[in-house]
Amino acid sequence: NAGVTQTPKFQVLKTGQSMTLQCAQDMNHEYMSWYRQDPGMGLRLIHYSVGAGITDQGEVPNGYNVSRSTTEDFPLRLLSAAPSQTSVYFCASSYSQGGKETQYFGPGTRLLVL
Amino acid sequence: SQQGEEDPQALSIQEGENATMNCSYKTSINNLQWYRQNSGRGLVHLILIRSNEREKHSGRLRVTLDTSKKSSSLLITASRAADTASYFCATAPNANAGGTSYGKLTFGQGTILTVHP
Repeated sequence: NAGVTQTPKFQVLKTGQSMTLQCAQDMNHEYMSWYRQDPGMGLRLIHYSVGAGITDQGEVPNGYNVSRSTTEDFPLRLLSAAPSQTSVYFCASSYSQGGKETQYFGPGTRLLVL
Repeated sequence: SQQGEEDPQALSIQEGENATMNCSYKTSINNLQWYRQNSGRGLVHLILIRSNEREKHSGRLRVTLDTSKKSSSLLITASRAADTASYFCATAPNANAGGTSYGKLTFGQGTILTVHP
């Protein structure tokens, strides 16, 4: 299994541009999430999904859209990039079984908005 | 806002010593998890402790949870240079009756651990 994959690894955008960060998992996990990590900080939840067709907002959703048309994919769209969105973005997937839960994280996408 | 606060922010020790990191949180939780992040990498799940558990072990890791004080600690025994990383606690405050977090974790700011050979 490849686990959780994210593309691209690095991206530079100009203010106002839009782009999509890709996330895919091959573990058939129900739950997927997007987080951002700013320097010296922990992760903050942007959006999450509990299954195909179902998404909801996290702590910092403004400026981002998500959709989940399949179990495997959970893309994150930046509508109009702003310098405040410069960050490292992590996608994660998880499952719950027998009261146990483990989240698997992708390697991250480093985004710089000029 | 961050749910948890971690203490210390940075910890520097020698190989073989024990490392203790603390995490405090604000709201009621269903479970608390610890993650490790190597520089420039994604997070790796270490251990999960449920709100009805007080202590849990996994290899050289020992986690305690005190829900009355809303705090947890992670102890790494006999540390190694390879343990050098950032360590984060994460809480699942809005879990459903089945105990899942739906992937909605709230992270602390982390402790940077450096283990010198």
